[in-house]
Amino acid sequence: SQTIHQWPATLVQPVGSPLSLECTVEGTSNPNLYWYRQAAGRGLQLLFYSVGIGQISSEVPQNLSASRPQDRQFILSSKKLLLSDSGFYLCAWSRQDYNSPLHFGNGTRLTVT
Amino acid sequence: GENVEQHPSTLSVQEGDSAVIKCTYSDSASNYFPWYKQELGKRPQLIIDIRSNVGEKKDQRIAVTLNKTAKHFSLHITETQPEDSAVYFCAAPNTGTASKLTFGTGTRLQVTL
Repeated sequence: SQTIHQWPATLVQPVGSPLSLECTVEGTSNPNLYWYRQAAGRGLQLLFYSVGIGQISSEVPQNLSASRPQDRQFILSSKKLLLSDSGFYLCAWSRQDYNSPLHFGNGTRLTVT
Repeated sequence: GENVEQHPSTLSVQEGDSAVIKCTYSDSASNYFPWYKQELGKRPQLIIDIRSNVGEKKDQRIAVTLNKTAKHFSLHITETQPEDSAVYFCAAPNTGTASKLTFGTGTRLQVTL
């Protein structure tokens, strides 16, 4: 069966510090990978998605970047965090089939102080 | 891109009653409609999905109906229980190469004793 791991679970970072969140998927090959952000009490905003190694599409302009160095590894980064980057970050995967369901990781709650 | 509207934003029902959440979408080519349940502080989890070749799908106390002509779909929960209390999100796919989903803004369901 497939599993998705995301870490850390919580993170408190000062404004201006760098960020690196990591996500890995097991039990499947060549998945689509996604990063979503959820502000407190709000909906799910797609930040990045990837259909293969080194292929990243950005959905919204922002202070963040994503990379996919390996087939089942997806990394979310920032060089300098802003207060507005606080939120609940969710990694997700799906099969390459069109209209496959998303499966989310447990999320990282980021607080920028 | 796809536009998904979800109503109501909050819903309170008594235990044992039914709950209905409705979503509309804009892209007539969309053919896959998942529903996610998110408990407080946790990841969204897929609870049911429907494809456009059927008008209704049921899984125990949960059912989803789809009206492609009117471009709306609904989640029905019967015999609600306190553990059904959560935020529910509908979603519909964006056209494109990946399974990009546009999510509704969520419905906070509260089941009271």
